[in-house]
Amino acid sequence: DSGVTQTPKHLITATGQRVTLRCSPRSGDLSVYWYQQSLDQGLQFLIQYYNGEERAKGNILERFSAQQFPDLHSELNLSSLELGDSALYFCASSAAPGRERDGYTFGSGTRLTVV
Amino acid sequence: GESVGLHLPTLSVQEGDNSIINCAYSNSASDYFIWYKQESGKGPQFIIDIRSNMDKRQGQRVTVLLNKTVKHLSLQIAATQPGDSAVYFCAENRYQGAQKLVFGQGTRLTINP
Repeated sequence: DSGVTQTPKHLITATGQRVTLRCSPRSGDLSVYWYQQSLDQGLQFLIQYYNGEERAKGNILERFSAQQFPDLHSELNLSSLELGDSALYFCASSAAPGRERDGYTFGSGTRLTVV
Repeated sequence: GESVGLHLPTLSVQEGDNSIINCAYSNSASDYFIWYKQESGKGPQFIIDIRSNMDKRQGQRVTVLLNKTVKHLSLQIAATQPGDSAVYFCAENRYQGAQKLVFGQGTRLTINP
């Protein structure tokens, strides 16, 4: 157990629908990162939050949004889902910006299947 | 898109042999590199890291080498075991408005008995 909790583990939904993925960071970590991993691909950075505020954006579609709550858990919202959105979505946490050298800790991911 | 490149997408080695996984990066300003291991159905797991002011770092059965001149990173795994079968990613710590890790595509390592 890495200490980063992601729910649900699996999600199957239809095109056009909206889903919410949840992440609880490791205890004490303030930063949360979301990554998308398509089949046999690397991890594409989506977005980063630190202590409730957005810090960095990567290749995140406009149909996707995220937020980090006061208790530091984060949610990734995916809307108007398309078949190509099927992927593994990982959340990672780290202590604070500037301490990324302490490393990221990844959760086990949410496997999203859009049918 | 942005990425740290890998030379080989797959690598097969005999159990007990040494493995070398290579990675090329493009951003000479990156100051920190990490190797991750991802087993099937799991999230990436930290293996070893190296800062840009070093050229070698050793862990348990793993060694990372950094050649800044040619922007090349490698992961050496000694005496590979079946449990080493996984996808290995190198990641580069970049500052682009904020610090973030940029991952390569990954190399799938298969250990043959």
